[in-house]
Amino acid sequence: KAGVTQTPRYLIKTRGQQVTLSCSPISGHRSVSWYQQTPGQGLQFLFEYFSETQRNKGNFPGRFSGRQFSNSRSEMNVSTLELGDSALYLCASRTSGYQETQYFGPGTRLLVL
Amino acid sequence: GESVGLHLPTLSVQEGDNSIINCAYSNSASDYFIWYKQESGKGPQFIIDIRSNMDKRQGQRVTVLLNKTVKHLSLQIAATQPGDSAVYFCAENTGNNDMRFGAGTRLTVKP
Repeated sequence: KAGVTQTPRYLIKTRGQQVTLSCSPISGHRSVSWYQQTPGQGLQFLFEYFSETQRNKGNFPGRFSGRQFSNSRSEMNVSTLELGDSALYLCASRTSGYQETQYFGPGTRLLVL
Repeated sequence: GESVGLHLPTLSVQEGDNSIINCAYSNSASDYFIWYKQESGKGPQFIIDIRSNMDKRQGQRVTVLLNKTVKHLSLQIAATQPGDSAVYFCAENTGNNDMRFGAGTRLTVKP
């Protein structure tokens, strides 16, 4: 099976802009989670989507949003970008339940100038 | 607050030695734990997992130990190789359908 894929791999934006990141899960996986990784804060959970519904949400401002499509592909959007949003954004998928392994994609590295 | 933490931020070992990476967790409700390996420029890669009804699980060259009494998790890598050099994260599922990660330990293998 193909692994989790994320596009784009690298992105440069300026403050105030918005950005949309895409994630395609492993075939058959219905759960997609998003994480932000920074040197200072480590890996932080953003949200999880399952069957097109947000199932869980981390402690991030409303500028961070996401959605999931019927084919389980997911997008994450960040509006009004701030310098502190520069990070590696990781997507992970699993079949359904929380006691199942999450498999990560390579991430999208976002730089906000 | 409750958190997942690592005892050591860096670990340096000689090639061929065994490595032990430790992790402390404080959420007693957590019942599923995972170790991930992350190499530079890549996403975290699953290594091994363990459920709370077990105290030990072995994979290929890796062993995870879980001590629920003291809320401690460890990853043992046998005969460490240069390709094992990476950052290792422990993660716990807290029962709320989300996963918390430790800060990570950077393992460096010296030839």
